[in-house]
Amino acid sequence: DILMTQTPLSLSVTPGQPASISCKSNQTLLHSDGRTYLYWYLQKPGQSPQLLIHEVSSRFSGVSDKFTGSGSGTDFTLKISRVEAEDVGVYYCMQSVQLRLTFGGGTKVEIK
Amino acid sequence: QVQLVESGGGTVQPGKSLRLSCAASGFSFTKYAMNWVRQAPGKGLEWVALIGYDGSFKYSADSVKGRFTVSRDNSKNMVYLEMNSLTVEDTAVYFCARPLRYFAYDGLDVWGQGTVVTVSS
Repeated sequence: DILMTQTPLSLSVTPGQPASISCKSNQTLLHSDGRTYLYWYLQKPGQSPQLLIHEVSSRFSGVSDKFTGSGSGTDFTLKISRVEAEDVGVYYCMQSVQLRLTFGGGTKVEIK
Repeated sequence: QVQLVESGGGTVQPGKSLRLSCAASGFSFTKYAMNWVRQAPGKGLEWVALIGYDGSFKYSADSVKGRFTVSRDNSKNMVYLEMNSLTVEDTAVYFCARPLRYFAYDGLDVWGQGTVVTVSS
């Protein structure tokens, strides 16, 4: 299985300030079809995960442009330009280049 | 609207069985593979099983292989997870989730609200 490693484990952010989360995989997420199967999710307290970013950098429908995904191969980043109270929760990266989906351990974002 | 609704969770003793259901609506169910993902209390997300759009392809995590069986009934827009020989480590919220694209094994864009399974003596 592909191991997904997220850092940091937690972030405490002042409202309006940016935040950045790293996700590294131990195998390339670039498929032979040319797509890179890396996703970002936010799980707000008491809710199901919600898709933010698909294929590294494409924002899902309705997702704010303050969320930006970047990276390639095995090294990826999610940036939040201005963290607000509604962004609190746990952020997960996930790969689907293999059928056995695997998730990062999560990064908990809270407001200072 | 596109929706997934899980049911069937509950509290069971170790070694017992439970069957989870997931009702899909609002999309062309027969075109999509479906997944089960679980989340133990206070822990992260763990993929459990995948079933292809027509049910002919099934794949499961090593942690549940031989104990859990995924199935679907396309005439009813339902996905199921039959869980046998349950252990305390299977205690979790179980989500069903749909891939982003049809006829693809993809990232997941639609998730149910989850159903809670507690295995305890």
